[in-house]
Amino acid sequence: QKEVEQDPGPLSVPEGAIVSLNCTYSNSAFQYFMWYRQYSRKGPELLMYTYSSGNKEDGRFTAQVDKSSKYISLFIRDSQPSDSATYLCAISRANNLFFGTGTRLTVIP
Amino acid sequence: DGGITQSPKYLFRKEGQNVTLSCEQNLNHDAMYWYRQDPGQGLRLIYYSQIVNDFQKGDIAEGYSVSREKKESFPLTVTSAQKNPTAFYLCASSTPQETQYFGPGTRLLVL
Repeated sequence: QKEVEQDPGPLSVPEGAIVSLNCTYSNSAFQYFMWYRQYSRKGPELLMYTYSSGNKEDGRFTAQVDKSSKYISLFIRDSQPSDSATYLCAISRANNLFFGTGTRLTVIP
Repeated sequence: DGGITQSPKYLFRKEGQNVTLSCEQNLNHDAMYWYRQDPGQGLRLIYYSQIVNDFQKGDIAEGYSVSREKKESFPLTVTSAQKNPTAFYLCASSTPQETQYFGPGTRLLVL
């Protein structure tokens, strides 16, 4: 069983839609939870970082962590064509990051 | 202007050749990492280093080597023993809170 499982998509939505991206993890010892955005042929860019259960909001982005269910989500409100990218969840334990395989999102104008 | 730089952007390797990918950071981070990214497989850890002059193998270290002589630099050598080197290589460094920041990547292709 992989440490982190991510819905692979691809996901295609119209502009303005609410997007939900999800990951599950297997080890309750994981401490930190991150979402990265990666445009084609570029390095991943850190979007959100949290270490506790609950919601963390930053503009149009909300990261949600449910430690009891071992489930993390990223919500994007009012999605824009510029949000089209691959989104990677990442979970940290003992200075090592475990990545999901990524969800490719396309926002159609 | 702090960040992580990787060079070259594209690299071509001939059969039997060793090639070295450069990674430099001016974020004053102690820890640095090398990942390999293949389509549909996410990021896989090759090597990591928590401090200067020390490094550990990741999940797919075979066919790769690293050095960490300076805090700012963590070069990766892809040796001739790596039989399938074509991939996108990403270098990262991390804060003590374990947040990793990535460079722009190097795409390695085999001639």
